[in-house]
Amino acid sequence: EPEVTQTPSHQVTQMGQEVILRCVPISNHLYFYWYRQILGQKVEFLVSFYNNEISEKSEIFDDQFSVERPDGSNFTLKIRSTKLEDSAMYFCASRTQGSLYEAFFGQGTRLTVV
Amino acid sequence: AQKVTQAQTEISVVEKEDVTLDCVYETRDTTYYLFWYKQPPSGELVFLIRRNSFDEQNEISGRYSWNFQKSTSSFNFTITASQVVDSAVYFCALSEVQTGANNLFFGTGTRLTVIP
Repeated sequence: EPEVTQTPSHQVTQMGQEVILRCVPISNHLYFYWYRQILGQKVEFLVSFYNNEISEKSEIFDDQFSVERPDGSNFTLKIRSTKLEDSAMYFCASRTQGSLYEAFFGQGTRLTVV
Repeated sequence: AQKVTQAQTEISVVEKEDVTLDCVYETRDTTYYLFWYKQPPSGELVFLIRRNSFDEQNEISGRYSWNFQKSTSSFNFTITASQVVDSAVYFCALSEVQTGANNLFFGTGTRLTVIP
């Protein structure tokens, strides 16, 4: 069964460093998402991406964040200068065309900023 | 603005008991989708069900059932004869069609512990 794959599963980084979280969505999917879950809290929407551009972003997704689909298969989330409060689980999701279809989530990347 | 409320933060039940997880939502859209996701201790998000706003028919899938009531803006989830493997955090989520991107807005989750 096709699945969304995220790497790495856990990343530790020093405050101020740049990190790139990687995702390989399901191959025929067209909509891509990043969500964040701070430990013990709810899952929060960060950004959606369609047709090679951001379609919507939340207040959390400030100038420190960027997304890219560099090669038609990967979908990346970059945090330019990490802060302690960026520590969270980051989920990538994708879905196919049409609003009938649910998003499939990856297993998540746990980011720890020290 | 959209909102999903899961008033039950934590629930504990003894194995084989039935348990209902509550979800109340707010939206101005007339067309929307409601979801339940399970997050086991391993951390991934597992899709359980999607329901659209025009389909109020209740659904049963094995030990799981869902009760969607538009009149009370609720989408409750019942587990019958609970098992230890049901222990997880359960999230209710809302997706509004209007934006086109169908982003998911999650509730704060209910942590279910099934005691053997």
